[in-house]
Amino acid sequence: GQQVMQIPQYQHVQEGEDFTTYCNSSTTLSNIQWYKQRPGGHPVFLIQLVKSGEVKKQKRLTFQFGEAKKNSSLHITATQTTDVGTYFCAGEGSNAGKSTFGDGTTLTVKP
Amino acid sequence: DAGVTQSPTHLIKTRGQQVTLRCSPKSGHDTVSWYQQALGQGPQFIFQYYEEEERQRGNFPDRFSGHQFPNYSSELNVNALLLGDSALYLCASSLRTQGFGDTQYFGPGTRLTVL
Repeated sequence: GQQVMQIPQYQHVQEGEDFTTYCNSSTTLSNIQWYKQRPGGHPVFLIQLVKSGEVKKQKRLTFQFGEAKKNSSLHITATQTTDVGTYFCAGEGSNAGKSTFGDGTTLTVKP
Repeated sequence: DAGVTQSPTHLIKTRGQQVTLRCSPKSGHDTVSWYQQALGQGPQFIFQYYEEEERQRGNFPDRFSGHQFPNYSSELNVNALLLGDSALYLCASSLRTQGFGDTQYFGPGTRLTVL
């Protein structure tokens, strides 16, 4: 079945440093979604990418979808303490409505 | 505009028992998906309900079953509980447009502990 891998598992940064998490799927995706989960909370939708090579920005966050639609990345510029949490990617393949989540990258930010 | 709600918040059961978890979708949404999230892992897709029918199912045994009601709310039932069923159970609702890429909104989850 479809597998989604995320690296790194953990990332510790100093406030102001950049952060990137990578997501790789074993199969071609129809779309990929990114979520953020704060400790003790639930996943909160950030963005969805659909097109091959698509790049979307939300303030300090930049999301990319690979040309082959099998990988994606999330880059945060100049991290802040409010960025702490676990970032998940979730890919949807050929089965509409069936999302496969990666195991997330947990970001900690030292002030 | 109410978001996704789930009940109960926490639940403690013993092995072999049965449990029912409930979810009310965000106002205007018609599709409900259920996920199991073990500690330190990403949510795993259990199944999705639309128009009161199970539309997609993940790799979960038949002990996991569900239902969707005419008002779009949903229940997740787990029979013959195992210790390994201890997890956060998340409900996500969406409005079915194309089926693919429908934005999901997650509820706060139900923390199930099996002793």
